[in-house]
Amino acid sequence: GESVGLHLPTLSVQEGDNSIINCAYSNSASDYFIWYKQESGKGPQFIIDIRSNMDKRQGQRVTVLLNKTVKHLSLQIAATQPGDSAVYFCAENRGGQNFVFGPGTRLSVLP
Amino acid sequence: SQTIHQWPATLVQPVGSPLSLECTVEGTSNPNLYWYRQAAGRGLQLLFYSVGIGQISSEVPQNLSASRPQDRQFILSSKKLLLSDSGFYLCAWSRATSQETQYFGPGTRLLVL
Repeated sequence: GESVGLHLPTLSVQEGDNSIINCAYSNSASDYFIWYKQESGKGPQFIIDIRSNMDKRQGQRVTVLLNKTVKHLSLQIAATQPGDSAVYFCAENRGGQNFVFGPGTRLSVLP
Repeated sequence: SQTIHQWPATLVQPVGSPLSLECTVEGTSNPNLYWYRQAAGRGLQLLFYSVGIGQISSEVPQNLSASRPQDRQFILSSKKLLLSDSGFYLCAWSRATSQETQYFGPGTRLLVL
């Protein structure tokens, strides 16, 4: 597959455990954030988003937490499964369609 | 539902040859369209975006160009490829309002030799 993220930080978790992937953003004016999942050789897939008027949002098995004080975003995946193995990256929006994307974290799920 | 297509999926081209990558979106009208390049270990780099037919904004100076001949068609081109043009190219669409989620296509892996 595509050699996306050859030197990315890697998080290894046991199947069934919870995963927490972190992202630090740079601009305090950013007010909309997205988490994407990218499997090898494929395009990024939208997971969940959050706006700055919230500090937590939940989806199916995923939760995004936003800490505006320290400009930190996290993605929590409950009961991690082998199919969750991928690169996860965050995107911050500073208005309009101007997104800045992080380099990503590789999640490896161990059997 | 909306779907986004890119082709080809993989392309190997010699240096100096032309390039044409195509992206089409189904199930929506008047989308914003985007071309990104993704390099290993780095975030997505926005190359071009378009808010309508014939309207192209370029984000970085480069060897590439983009065109939008139809509402749901976005094309990335080059007259002469460079080795540095190798990469993974992603097309994305969003609704034509501010701060909308961008949805990505499957990507095209380009290798310039």
